Amino acid sequence: EPEVTQTPSHQVTQMGQEVILRCVPISNHLYFYWYRQILGQKVEFLVSFYNNEISEKSEIFDDQFSVERPDGSNFTLKIRSTKLEDSAMYFCASNLQVGQPQHFGDGTRLSIL
Amino acid sequence: GEDVEQSLFLSVREGDSSVINCTYTDSSSTYLYWYKQEPGAGLQLLTYIFSNMDMKQDQRLTVLLNKKDKHLSLRIADTQTGDSAIYFCAESTSGAGNQFYFGTGTSLTVIP
Repeated sequence: EPEVTQTPSHQVTQMGQEVILRCVPISNHLYFYWYRQILGQKVEFLVSFYNNEISEKSEIFDDQFSVERPDGSNFTLKIRSTKLEDSAMYFCASNLQVGQPQHFGDGTRLSIL
Repeated sequence: GEDVEQSLFLSVREGDSSVINCTYTDSSSTYLYWYKQEPGAGLQLLTYIFSNMDMKQDQRLTVLLNKKDKHLSLRIADTQTGDSAIYFCAESTSGAGNQFYFGTGTSLTVIP
C-alpha cells in the first residue's frame, strides 16, 4: 500500500539554526499538510497546501515557517531560526480529495538544543 | 476553534471490549476519524465515518456516531495486547483548508 514517507526520522539542531523537514506524499494525492505534536500534547494543524499554494494555515504557522513543493514528489517544511519550543514531532499528511482520510507519515522528531 | 475531547486513559483486560469516547463541538463536521499511534510511530488510520451515518463496523472495530450529542465512540471487540496504543479522534470540516482537528488522545492499556 502506498505510504507517506518522511525524512529524517530524528533531527537535532542548535537553537537559531534553520531546519528543513522533508516529506514524500502519496504520489497521486493532491492535498498536503503539516501537523505538529509537542510531547504529551494534541496533534496540531500547521498548514495545508494545494495547487502549489497554501490553502490554510494556523496561528502557529508564522513567518518562521514556510512550505514548498520543489518538485513533483517532495513537500518540505522549513523552520527558520529555530527556538526551543519548536521541539516536537512533525507529521506530514496527504489526501486525494477534501474530506477523504489523510494519510500520515511516521513523523520527524525535531529536537532543538 | 473546534474542540475535540477524549478521556486520557483506559485500561481493559485482554479479551474484553474497549470503548473509547470522543466529543466534538463543530456541527459542520463532514467526516470523523479514528487514528492509532503506537509508541514512537506515526498516525495509522483505523476507520472513519461520514457525518450522516450513525454506525460503521469493520472487523473488530465498531464506530458509533451520535450527531445530536456530537459524540463519537470506537469499540474494539476482543481487545488484544497489540491494541495497546494511543487512539486519536479527529474531525474534518467543510472548510477550504480541510484541516483535521485532533482530540487529546486516549491511551489504551491492555492487561494480559
